[in-house]
This record gives sequence, C-alpha cells and structure tokens, in this order.
Amino acid sequence: SQTIHQWPATLVQPVGSPLSLECTVEGTSNPNLYWYRQAAGRGLQLLFYSVGIGQISSEVPQNLSASRPQDRQFILSSKKLLLSDSGFYLCAWRGLGATYNEQFFGPGTRLTVL
Amino acid sequence: GNSVTQMEGPVTLSEEAFLTINCTYTATGYPSLFWYVQYPGEGLQLLLKATKADDKGSNKGFEATYRKETTSFHLEKGSVQVSDSAVYFCALSPRNSGNTPLVFGKGTRLSVIA
Repeated sequence: SQTIHQWPATLVQPVGSPLSLECTVEGTSNPNLYWYRQAAGRGLQLLFYSVGIGQISSEVPQNLSASRPQDRQFILSSKKLLLSDSGFYLCAWRGLGATYNEQFFGPGTRLTVL
Repeated sequence: GNSVTQMEGPVTLSEEAFLTINCTYTATGYPSLFWYVQYPGEGLQLLLKATKADDKGSNKGFEATYRKETTSFHLEKGSVQVSDSAVYFCALSPRNSGNTPLVFGKGTRLSVIA
C-alpha cells in the first residue's frame, strides 16, 4: 500500500533563516505531488505541484520554491523565511487507477516563524 | 472556471444533533466530488466521494448525494458525536482533469459539545 511521509513534524525557525521541508511517497511510482499551506484558521492554499522529476508548477508567487530531485521526493524550500510563512504545510499525492481522481495527504509540518 | 463554495463556519452543535454542511460547485462537465475531514493537528483524510450524478457517498455515518440539478454535494449526519469535531472540506476533481489538482472549498469547522 502507499504511504506518504513528511519531515519534520514541527519546526520553529527565526525570521530570515532558510527552510527545507521534505515529503516522500512509498509504494507508487511517478505520482503527481502537491504542496499546500494552511494558515491558522484558514483554508488550503495550493503552493506547488509536480507531475515528474524536475517539473514544478508554481501557483502562488512568493519566497518559497519547490524541487523534485527524485521520483517520490518533493522538497519545499526558502532562502529567507518571513513571519507570514508560518502555517501548516501539507504534502499530497494523486491516486492511481481507480483512485486517480483522489488526493492523499501526509500528516503535515507545523512551521512557526518567530 | 472550477470552484467550490461551502458554508462558512464555525458550526457548533450538541452531541446527537443533526448536521448539514452545504457545498455547491461550479465546473465544466461532470466532476467527481469529495468530502475530506481534518482532525486537529493532522492532515486531510478522504471521508467520502461520488463520481456521477445521483451517487451517494457514505462513510462513518456521514453521507452526501451528488445533485447535478442543483450543483450541490451537501454533507449530512443524523447524530453527531464529540469525536466528529474537525474541519470539513468539500472538493471537486474536473472530469478528464489530467494532472489538475483538486479544487477545495475553504473548509467548515465543526465543534460538537457534550
């Protein structure tokens, strides 16, 4: 069966510091992968999605970037964090076969920028 | 374009009360429809889905019927429990969507009090 992991689970970073969040998927190949952010009390904001290695689509221009160095690895980065980058970051992958229309979410990373 | 509108929360109910969370959508063609649930501090989980008109999705006592004529997919439960307290997201996947991410509503927070 497929599983999705996110690391770390929680993170506290100072303003201006770099960021690297990792998402890995097991049990599938060539998945579509997504990064979402959820600010406190707000809905989901799609940040990036990827259909393959090295292919990244950006939905919202900001100081974040994403990379997909391997088929089942999706990384969210920033060179300099802002206070407004605080939130709950969710990675998701798209199902295959009968579940092609579904997205499956990881457990999330809680980021606090101080 | 494609969009999902769901009722604003928060919704506060007493245990064993009847729940309705309204969701309407705009889409070209006939999308697949979903309800996701997010428990505190966790990622999103698929609660139920429907892929064509008049389909009823159901799970854990929740149900929703795909109504093409009213472009709606309202979530209902006859008797809520404290453990149902969570944020509920309505979402759609356009037909023949290829790699397009799901379109989510803004979420509705439900609090059930004993």
